[in-house]
Amino acid sequence: QSVLTQPPSVSAAPGQKVTISCSGSSSNIGNNYVSWYQQLPGTAPKLLIYDNNKRPSGIPDRFSGSKSGTSATLGITGLQTGDEADYYCGTWDSSLSAGQVFGGGTKLTVL
Amino acid sequence: QVQLVESGGGVVQPGGSLRLSCAASGFTFSSYGMHWVRQAPGKGLEWVAFIRYDGSNKYYADSVKGRFTISRDNSKNTLYLQMNSLRAEDTAVYYCAKDRFREIDYWGQGTLVTVSS
Repeated sequence: QSVLTQPPSVSAAPGQKVTISCSGSSSNIGNNYVSWYQQLPGTAPKLLIYDNNKRPSGIPDRFSGSKSGTSATLGITGLQTGDEADYYCGTWDSSLSAGQVFGGGTKLTVL
Repeated sequence: QVQLVESGGGVVQPGGSLRLSCAASGFTFSSYGMHWVRQAPGKGLEWVAFIRYDGSNKYYADSVKGRFTISRDNSKNTLYLQMNSLRAEDTAVYYCAKDRFREIDYWGQGTLVTVSS
């Protein structure tokens, strides 16, 4: 069971918009930056969003991130078939068992 | 550009040991913390361990504490993960990852560890 909670799957048609939620607590999301990662089939994860809402160089502005309290959200607009992947949220947890924590992952299907 | 190349994976019997290495290039290795993250077949990401840039502090997931040891050699730009008392549930792809202020910004391609008799 993951420390951060994500929906197992989301789906939408090409060109549409989708959001993926990530819920945590005050020891993780509530007091640390959130990152989002995209994992295409058979490949390593890739950073999509860092510091809650910043995009690394080369990531299109179709991808956006936000955070409020102990929850974060990844948004993807103008969906493309190439966006089909698993998406993970991650952050640092400052509790007694300090360390990086991840959500269980969300499988995005572009219908 | 940042490159992280893991090696050392393979098949090992339950109770055995294995040492993973991660060769880093394209950035000042000695200035950044580093993580190991694993992914069991068909499962999600599980953080394993973190080491500060100078090796002064190390953090471990409860599932590996006392069995795994993270270390680094800044003179060789290399990160290590010594894995002892391996169990079937340790079977996974192990990723080396670069830290950016407690966030992961770069990942290696991973190395597969299979614990099986």
